[in-house]
Amino acid sequence: DAGVTQSPTHLIKTRGQQVTLRCSPKSGHDTVSWYQQALGQGPQFIFQYYEEEERQRGNFPDRFSGHQFPNYSSELNVNALLLGDSALYLCASSPGSYNSPLHFGNGTRLTVT
Amino acid sequence: AQKVTQAQTEISVVEKEDVTLDCVYETRDTTYYLFWYKQPPSGELVFLIRRNSFDEQNEISGRYSWNFQKSTSSFNFTITASQVVDSAVYFCALISSGSARQLTFGSGTQLTVLP
Repeated sequence: DAGVTQSPTHLIKTRGQQVTLRCSPKSGHDTVSWYQQALGQGPQFIFQYYEEEERQRGNFPDRFSGHQFPNYSSELNVNALLLGDSALYLCASSPGSYNSPLHFGNGTRLTVT
Repeated sequence: AQKVTQAQTEISVVEKEDVTLDCVYETRDTTYYLFWYKQPPSGELVFLIRRNSFDEQNEISGRYSWNFQKSTSSFNFTITASQVVDSAVYFCALISSGSARQLTFGSGTQLTVLP
C-alpha cells in the first residue's frame, strides 16, 4: 500500500519564476493538506483540499494556490517566487475527519536563488 | 488562536539513557487533539501518537510513553533506553474543533542519541 508520494524531490528555481509541486495521497484518503517547513522550523499550514475545493487556508499570500483532482491527487503552485519561499514543502493526506492523523510524504525541497 | 511550544531546541544523550521531550500548548477550545510526530533525516513526518482532550490517561508503547496533563497544558514524550535510531526531530502538534483543519506544530526538538 503506497503512502503519500510527492514529486519532484528537489527543485531549484530563480526568483520570480513559478513552480508546481505534486502529491498523490495515501490510498483511501480523500483530503490533502500542504505545509511549508523552513529550515529549523515546524511545518506551517498552507491550505487543505477536499472534494476538489480549498476547504481551509493558512496565513499565506495568494501567490500560493492549489488544486485537487478527481482522483484526490493535488498540486501546489507558487507564483513570483521569492528567496523566502525556499523550504521543504510537505503534502499530507487523511481520510477526512479533522482529528485523523495526517500521513506525510517525504516532501519537495525547493531552493529559490 | 492556538500555539505549541517546544522549549528544547536540541537534546543530546548517550545510548540507553532516558530522555523526555517537553511540549506545552495553548488553546481556547475544550475539544482538541494532540499529536507527536517524528521527522528523521529523510524528511517524512511519521505519526507517533494522538491524544484527545478528554483522555488524560498516560500511554505507553514499547520504549515510548506520553504524559498528558491538562492542568499544566503539557503533553510530554519520554523515550526509555534511547537508541541511536531514535535520533530525529520530534514535533508536538495540536488541532482543535475551533481551528477546523489547521494542525499547529511546535518548532521541534532535535534529539541526538550518541553511541
